[in-house]
Amino acid sequence: EAGVTQFPSHSVIEKGQTVTLRCDPISGHDNLYWYRRVMGKEIKFLLHFVKESKQDESGMPNNRFLAERTGGTYSTLKVQPAELEDSGVYFCASSQSGGPLIQYFGAGTRLSVL
Amino acid sequence: AQSVTQLGSHVSVSEGALVLLRCNYSSSVPPYLFWYVQYPNQGLQLLLKYTSAATLVKGINGFEAEFKKSETSFHLTKPSAHMSDAAEYFCATGRRALTFGSGTRLQVQP
Repeated sequence: EAGVTQFPSHSVIEKGQTVTLRCDPISGHDNLYWYRRVMGKEIKFLLHFVKESKQDESGMPNNRFLAERTGGTYSTLKVQPAELEDSGVYFCASSQSGGPLIQYFGAGTRLSVL
Repeated sequence: AQSVTQLGSHVSVSEGALVLLRCNYSSSVPPYLFWYVQYPNQGLQLLLKYTSAATLVKGINGFEAEFKKSETSFHLTKPSAHMSDAAEYFCATGRRALTFGSGTRLQVQP
């Protein structure tokens, strides 16, 4: 069974550009999460989808970030326009509904904004 | 609000020595607690979890952690370190949105 996959693994863009990160969760997982780790800091929660609905987006830093999960399968996280402070590693995780709520993480996308 | 604190951003042990990585939590409700490990260029992998069952939790790769409510701690231990244990370790708490500690990078010396 495939794990959580994220694309791209690394993205380098200039300030003001737009970047779209993609996450494919484990098949059948209704819950999908986005997290971010800025260099030197802890991993921070961004938002949580249940199927295609945003359950909790309390961690989204500002309105330059837009997350979608059309059809309740893969998710995208768009940053527009990107700022220097958006640099970091963006992780996606997924989990089943019910049960022990174990989250399975992808390898992350390293975003560098120059 | 929930939080976790990991004491020591870097820990170095000799191969074969005891590994002890510290995690203290703060929670107003019975916590769910997790330890994750991140090897270089990989995602976070779950080592073990506490979800209010047995207080001594055994995980993968010989790791275990003990939930101590009186000390609000969930320290991670392994009796004998192996070179392959070198990685970054994260303590986390939460039932949906996870709150992570700042991570502890474990170095294993030959």
